[in-house]
Amino acid sequence: DSGVTQTPKHLITATGQRVTLRCSPRSGDLSVYWYQQSLDQGLQFLIQYYNGEERAKGNILERFSAQQFPDLHSELNLSSLELGDSALYFCASSPQTGTKLFFGSGTQLSVL
Amino acid sequence: AQKVTQAQTEISVVEKEDVTLDCVYETRDTTYYLFWYKQPPSGELVFLIRRNSFDEQNEISGRYSWNFQKSTSSFNFTITASQVVDSAVYFCALSVGGFKTIFGAGTRLFVKA
Repeated sequence: DSGVTQTPKHLITATGQRVTLRCSPRSGDLSVYWYQQSLDQGLQFLIQYYNGEERAKGNILERFSAQQFPDLHSELNLSSLELGDSALYFCASSPQTGTKLFFGSGTQLSVL
Repeated sequence: AQKVTQAQTEISVVEKEDVTLDCVYETRDTTYYLFWYKQPPSGELVFLIRRNSFDEQNEISGRYSWNFQKSTSSFNFTITASQVVDSAVYFCALSVGGFKTIFGAGTRLFVKA
């Protein structure tokens, strides 16, 4: 058990809808990362937060947004969903940047 | 820009064979960190090793060993005497400047009994 909790584990929704994925980092970890894993794109970095502030951005679509709250949990919001957004979304945390990442078990999103 | 290349998409070996997974990285920064992660069929991502750019010492941990060579920008991973339980997708990753960690495309390893 990595100590990182992601909910829900599975999410099935329709095109055009909006969903929120939630991540609770390991106790004490200030940094939260979001990744998207799809079959044809590998593990793509989306966004990183450190202690509530956005630290780095990757290939995150404008339809996607994220935030980290004062209690350090993070949410990834996906809107106007498309079939191609179907993927496994991982959250990871680390005590500081440059250290190893602890990954949650992921949220499998299926857009039908 | 930073980049991680894992040229081997899939590797298939027979149990007890040695196998090396290649990783080539690109960065202009002098301070960076390299990682290997394992993703078994169950789906979770598991950390294996972390090296910083100033430590080129090779490392051995049981059947696993890592060869870091700055001159060729490579950080290769070798499994000695592979076992069926080693079957997984292995990712090489790079973290620069304390910011995002980017991953290679992964190498899927099949170890057959």
